[in-house]
Amino acid sequence: GNSVTQMEGPVTLSEEAFLTINCTYTATGYPSLFWYVQYPGEGLQLLLKATKADDKGSNKGFEATYRKETTSFHLEKGSVQVSDSAVYFCALRKNTGNQFYFGTGTSLTVIP
Amino acid sequence: GAVVSQHPSRVICKSGTSVKIECRSLDFQATTMFWYRQFPKQSLMLMATSNEGSKATYEQGVEKDKFLINHASLTLSTLTVTSAHPEDSSFYICSANPPGQGNTEAFFGQGTRLTVV
Repeated sequence: GNSVTQMEGPVTLSEEAFLTINCTYTATGYPSLFWYVQYPGEGLQLLLKATKADDKGSNKGFEATYRKETTSFHLEKGSVQVSDSAVYFCALRKNTGNQFYFGTGTSLTVIP
Repeated sequence: GAVVSQHPSRVICKSGTSVKIECRSLDFQATTMFWYRQFPKQSLMLMATSNEGSKATYEQGVEKDKFLINHASLTLSTLTVTSAHPEDSSFYICSANPPGQGNTEAFFGQGTRLTVV
């Protein structure tokens, strides 16, 4: 089946610290992979995506590389800011159909 | 990017009443929309797939008579929580994808925070 396993939180970091949120997946075929971010009181927003192996998605200083050999899509940022405090969801989408599968989300709090 | 609008953003209702949540695709037509439910500190769980002009497809364990879905047009899907109870209190969110764009991201509505008292 299809599933996403995501590092449990909550994660608390100081401003300018390095961030890694681990994400691994199980899927049939070759899914597309996504990171979504949910700020307090809001819906989900796409942060970045990768549609094939070895692709790197990047946005707002965040990066994630589609690693087929390890079935992973870890999220990284070199220097986090207070404004990055949010819940981050890893997700996959099968190549057929529009259904998404989400991880459990990782809450990140960045303190000044 | 594409816009999906969800309304209302918050609703408080009395136990036993029904609540309707609307999901609209504002700048594209969506033959399929998805309804998710998110409990506190948990992930989004797919409840059902809303299909324009036909019956919705419900995930295992989701009561179709309790969560009524209507997808009457290519831009609107509604989720009605019937005879709501406090355990139905949750964050409900819909999503849709513009057609013909292959593996694009899903666009999400802003979500609806339902509180049943």
